[in-house]
Amino acid sequence: ETGVTQSPTHLIKTRGQQVTLRCSSQSGHNTVSWYQQALGQGPQFIFQYYREEENGRGNFPPRFSGLQFPNYSSELNVNALELDDSALYLCASSLAGGRGSGANVLTFGAGSRLTVL
Amino acid sequence: GDSVTQMEGPVTLSEEAFLTINCTYTATGYPSLFWYVQYPGEGLQLLLKATKADDKGSNKGFEATYRKETTSFHLEKGSVQVSDSAVYFCALKDYGGSQGNLIFGKGTKLSVKP
Repeated sequence: ETGVTQSPTHLIKTRGQQVTLRCSSQSGHNTVSWYQQALGQGPQFIFQYYREEENGRGNFPPRFSGLQFPNYSSELNVNALELDDSALYLCASSLAGGRGSGANVLTFGAGSRLTVL
Repeated sequence: GDSVTQMEGPVTLSEEAFLTINCTYTATGYPSLFWYVQYPGEGLQLLLKATKADDKGSNKGFEATYRKETTSFHLEKGSVQVSDSAVYFCALKDYGGSQGNLIFGKGTKLSVKP
């Protein structure tokens, strides 16, 4: 089975620009979550998608938006970039399910490192 | 709100030393608990998990026991190797919350010297 793949791996943008990050889910997974990991910090939840709908959102402004496609792949879009948006963006896929099952265990990609100048 | 607190690093040990990384949590519901590991330049990998009180998660020689009475999930390994050098994250998933997303601690960097 393939894991979670993200692209691009690194990118540099300037303040005010827009960025799109992409994620392919692990085979068999139907839920995608996005996390922001600032340097030296733990990942922070941005949002989750299930069945192409946003299914939960963390404390991030509306300029962070996303999509999930019928094949369960996903995009994260960030508009009007700010310097503080510089971080590693992690995509994670999972299979929706209850606590006791193997579902809901997140499989993470290697991340996209965004630098905003 | 829910939170995870883990001991600050960096932690530097010699090979074959005993490892403990402390983790405590606050949750409104009854969470599942996880340890993830992040090797340099890579994403997070699930190391172990526990879904209910007194469960012990174990993998690759690492262990952690879900202690509801002390709201803790400390990570231990009896004999670390150089290859264990990484950043370790404690996390919880609170099924009683509205989102059920993972909440992470800040991470503890472990360096193991030969």
